[in-house]
Amino acid sequence: DSGVTQTPKHLITATGQRVTLRCSPRSGDLSVYWYQQSLDQGLQFLIQYYNGEERAKGNILERFSAQQFPDLHSELNLSSLELGDSALYFCASSGSTGITNYGYTFGSGTRLTVV
Amino acid sequence: EDQVTQSPEALRLQEGESSSLNCSYTVSGLRGLFWYRQDPGKGPEFLFTLYSAGEEKEKERLKATLTKKESFLHITAPKPEDSATYLCAVQGNTGANSKLTFGKGITLSVRP
Repeated sequence: DSGVTQTPKHLITATGQRVTLRCSPRSGDLSVYWYQQSLDQGLQFLIQYYNGEERAKGNILERFSAQQFPDLHSELNLSSLELGDSALYFCASSGSTGITNYGYTFGSGTRLTVV
Repeated sequence: EDQVTQSPEALRLQEGESSSLNCSYTVSGLRGLFWYRQDPGKGPEFLFTLYSAGEEKEKERLKATLTKKESFLHITAPKPEDSATYLCAVQGNTGANSKLTFGKGITLSVRP
């Protein structure tokens, strides 16, 4: 157990629907990162939050949004889902916004299947 | 923009057959280069961090090295349990955020 908890582990939904993925960071970590992993693209950075504030954005679609709550857990909202959104979504956490010796600690991911 | 290229995409080895995995990178000021291992359906697991050219780190059968443009993950006498995808990532010196840019990974299969 890495200490980063993601729920649900699996999600199957239809095109056009909206889903919410949840992440609880490792105890004491203030930064949360969301990544999308597909077979052909590898791990793609979506967005970073630090202590409740958005810190950096990657290639995140306008249909996707995220937030980090006062208790530091984070949610990634995906709406108007398309078949191409099917992927593994990972949450990771770290203790600060700067470099850390261990990079990030990853959760076990949420596998999203859009049918 | 930071970029990471890993090669080969896939590698099949016989147990005991040593080899190296390559990670080429471009980054505006390297803060750190990271190697992760990922098993199917699981999240990446941290292996090493390298900070400057010439640095080396070792863990069991794995040794990571770093130059100004590349990093290598050397696997000595691999065992079937070393089969996994190995990911390389860089963190650049581009402001306050600390995102890692990942390569697509190298899938290693070790046959008994």
